[in-house]
Amino acid sequence: SQQGEEDPQALSIQEGENATMNCSYKTSINNLQWYRQNSGRGLVHLILIRSNEREKHSGRLRVTLDTSKKSSSLLITASRAADTASYFCATDGAGTALIFGKGTTLSVSS
Amino acid sequence: GAVVSQHPSRVICKSGTSVKIECRSLDFQATTMFWYRQFPKQSLMLMATSNEGSKATYEQGVEKDKFLINHASLTLSTLTVTSAHPEDSSFYICSARHRLGYEQYFGPGTRLTVT
Repeated sequence: SQQGEEDPQALSIQEGENATMNCSYKTSINNLQWYRQNSGRGLVHLILIRSNEREKHSGRLRVTLDTSKKSSSLLITASRAADTASYFCATDGAGTALIFGKGTTLSVSS
Repeated sequence: GAVVSQHPSRVICKSGTSVKIECRSLDFQATTMFWYRQFPKQSLMLMATSNEGSKATYEQGVEKDKFLINHASLTLSTLTVTSAHPEDSSFYICSARHRLGYEQYFGPGTRLTVT
């Protein structure tokens, strides 16, 4: 089962620009996480935001969470070519499995 | 940090044969492990939840007789793809939840190709 959608499905930007990805989900959550996946590789955990938090920062990453709209956004500032990857949001309820969104494929060109 | 390994990282098998994938939590005990499948250019889909010492819980549409899951210890879960077919070719990823918390840690994945 999948929790929701990310948009856009694909995003192409130039190095130095900001990239914003959005994620919507369907059910109540304990927390929401963002992961990165380079082509053919495993997942890299980026950031976790709890349901009682509205915004969180980590380096060039900024995540927001709006539980009333059941949505989250991931902002990557000053993108680099190395940021090229697929990005997934994942949610969990009460200690259950993480359910992933469909993902956004980000391409950063130099 | 918590480390989860998977073995093998890549496997090629002939149609009709079975293949076993191992998922190990290396430095922590995991009462629960999860198995996901990811087809090319798609997201991760949860296949089953595996609890140590009990039967796995499968998601709707996942054949339990085809995807055998064993979680015999707090550090090891195995997924056996029986009578594999080319459509089973996929990237299989496990995750392990720490016995003492909610955080899940992902393995690096196993690329299965059935010829």
